[in-house]
Amino acid sequence: GAGVSQTPSNKVTEKGKYVELRCDPISGHTALYWYRQSLGQGPEFLIYFQGTGAADDSGLPNDRFFAVRPEGSVSTLKIQRTERGDSAVYLCASSRDRTDTEAFFGQGTRLTVV
Amino acid sequence: AQSVSQHNHHVILSEAASLELGCNYSYGGTVNLFWYVQYPGQHLQLLLKYFSGDPLVKGIKGFEAEFIKSKFSFNLRKPSVQWSDTAEYFCAVTRSGNTGKLIFGQGTTLQVKP
Repeated sequence: GAGVSQTPSNKVTEKGKYVELRCDPISGHTALYWYRQSLGQGPEFLIYFQGTGAADDSGLPNDRFFAVRPEGSVSTLKIQRTERGDSAVYLCASSRDRTDTEAFFGQGTRLTVV
Repeated sequence: AQSVSQHNHHVILSEAASLELGCNYSYGGTVNLFWYVQYPGQHLQLLLKYFSGDPLVKGIKGFEAEFIKSKFSFNLRKPSVQWSDTAEYFCAVTRSGNTGKLIFGQGTTLQVKP
């Protein structure tokens, strides 16, 4: 596609539920990144995929968060047993590879846990 | 740990005024530096970037930034702002080698009055 696509754009869920957030990167981009942006803050790195493998998951806050990219294209961020503190905008970005000079961001999924 | 500090959280200017947004980072090694912009309702977009060479870099829409290594700074400037520059601005840094794993500052909201 023309840009990075994220779905849904908004998600409201109840505390304790499981959610999945989807990211469709730019076609041909092998590097994919997830970020979380809380209100009034800059985006915080969560995880980086190179191809199908999670090359760096050092930003995942705890084991309730997990992400996959089984075919090296679409990625899904999964959050188990959601908590109110998980409410944030989740951003996805992609680039041709890890050394590319620009990462392109999607519009994000706004997750609200009630 | 790396960190990025943006000094101004909210800036209000009149059209044609000059703009300077401060950014300092705390990493002592080789870094790549970026300014991203987020217009209302839109995704993060790259304004400009510094990798090496001339420390004065020019970006889109008349923006420029100067890398001062001795001050660990990468301030953003524009000689004359327009109403359409109203947006949130993020400074970001990454270590050489993975340009998508960004550490962002908390952002500066710029409001330009017509």
